[in-house]
Amino acid sequence: EVPLLDSGGGLVQPGESLRLSCVASGFTFSVYDMGWVRQAPGKGLEWVSSISGSGLNTYYADSVMGRFTISRDNSRNMLFLQMNSLRAEDTAVYLCADMAAVTTAVYWGQGSQVTV
Amino acid sequence: DIQMTQSPPSVSASIGDRVTITCRASQGIGIWLAWYQQKPGKAPKLLIYSASSLQNGVPVRFSGSGSGTDFTLTISSLQPEDFATYYCQQAHSFPLTFGGGTRVDVK
Repeated sequence: EVPLLDSGGGLVQPGESLRLSCVASGFTFSVYDMGWVRQAPGKGLEWVSSISGSGLNTYYADSVMGRFTISRDNSRNMLFLQMNSLRAEDTAVYLCADMAAVTTAVYWGQGSQVTV
Repeated sequence: DIQMTQSPPSVSASIGDRVTITCRASQGIGIWLAWYQQKPGKAPKLLIYSASSLQNGVPVRFSGSGSGTDFTLTISSLQPEDFATYYCQQAHSFPLTFGGGTRVDVK
């Protein structure tokens, strides 16, 4: 199993920014593709973004393109999601995940609540 | 974008029942499909990848089948711990998309 710990959620006003973090432990982080998935209250799962192990390749959902930026620091085993220009519809639990081939979430963090 | 349509939205079943959930893609996705289980307040758990490959540690009563546009998740004999919501997700192309979910509850 891949332990993942999300943090950084909170309550913000529309238009404000927030940065989510996810720290991984116990494995060679740089070889794992990673990503973020969110779940609005009472709703289903929505993929947000993925990033390759090297950090060179990134992918975004249309709903967050241009507002959110995924990044990683392999030296610290950390994944980030910088969220700018937040909207009410971004309110959700955000979960980081180890993404096999940047497409399939194998292991998941516990999630961070973001309320806009 | 590829749309994923799950059916039924919910199913009521008893312990020992065989449960089948279907997922249809709006265009062909080969075998690039995953199934997840989610219990209330918990993170999802990967059950099946590549349409029919069982993730390590997942009980063999779970199975997946299909290719192209039509896929199926089957629970051969429902156990108490299987009451949950199940999601399919296409892993064929970006943006990645999930089905709307199927809730399995007690009959």
